[in-house]
Amino acid sequence: KQEVTQIPAALSVPEGENLVLNCSFTDSAIYNLQWFRQDPGKGLTSLLLIQSSQREQTSGRLNASLDKSSGRSTLYIAASQPGDSATYLCAVNSGYSTLTFGKGTMLLVSP
Amino acid sequence: DAGVTQSPTHLIKTRGQQVTLRCSPKSGHDTVSWYQQALGQGPQFIFQYYEEEERQRGNFPDRFSGHQFPNYSSELNVNALLLGDSALYLCASSFWQGDWGYTFGSGTRLTVV
Repeated sequence: KQEVTQIPAALSVPEGENLVLNCSFTDSAIYNLQWFRQDPGKGLTSLLLIQSSQREQTSGRLNASLDKSSGRSTLYIAASQPGDSATYLCAVNSGYSTLTFGKGTMLLVSP
Repeated sequence: DAGVTQSPTHLIKTRGQQVTLRCSPKSGHDTVSWYQQALGQGPQFIFQYYEEEERQRGNFPDRFSGHQFPNYSSELNVNALLLGDSALYLCASSFWQGDWGYTFGSGTRLTVV
């Protein structure tokens, strides 16, 4: 059974800092990994999708890496802004189009 | 291009009642999945529909059932509601033959009292 863990559970940083969110998974037989953002009480916004054959994906200030063999992914956020404050969720697709999520990292960026 | 649309956005039900939640997938998507997200937790997979059939099911009791219509829209039904069913219910759509990327709706907040 696939299990996904995200560290840290919460993170508070001042504006402008670069930061890294971590995601680990127990079964390396995955199709892809997706990072989502969730604002309080809202749905999920897809940030980046990494296929199992890829090592990283970039979108603006966001960069996600994937090391399938070690069961790890990181989400790097450059020059953080208060608008980045949200919960970030990592989700692994192990097949049959179902996602297994971590509990998320709650990020607070203070001005 | 409309994304995933869910209705209603909020509702309050009494224990023992039944509820129906609705989802319209993103244009071009043919697969709909439902997830339950309790407060402070990650979403948990309920089930997935493709070609009007349930293709996959998570660890949820039979009180949770669903349906997919020919236009790919979907309903989630929950019978005999329990207090523990209070959660944010998320609908996600994808394209069966695609890259398996998901688009999520804004969710329905269900409160059972």
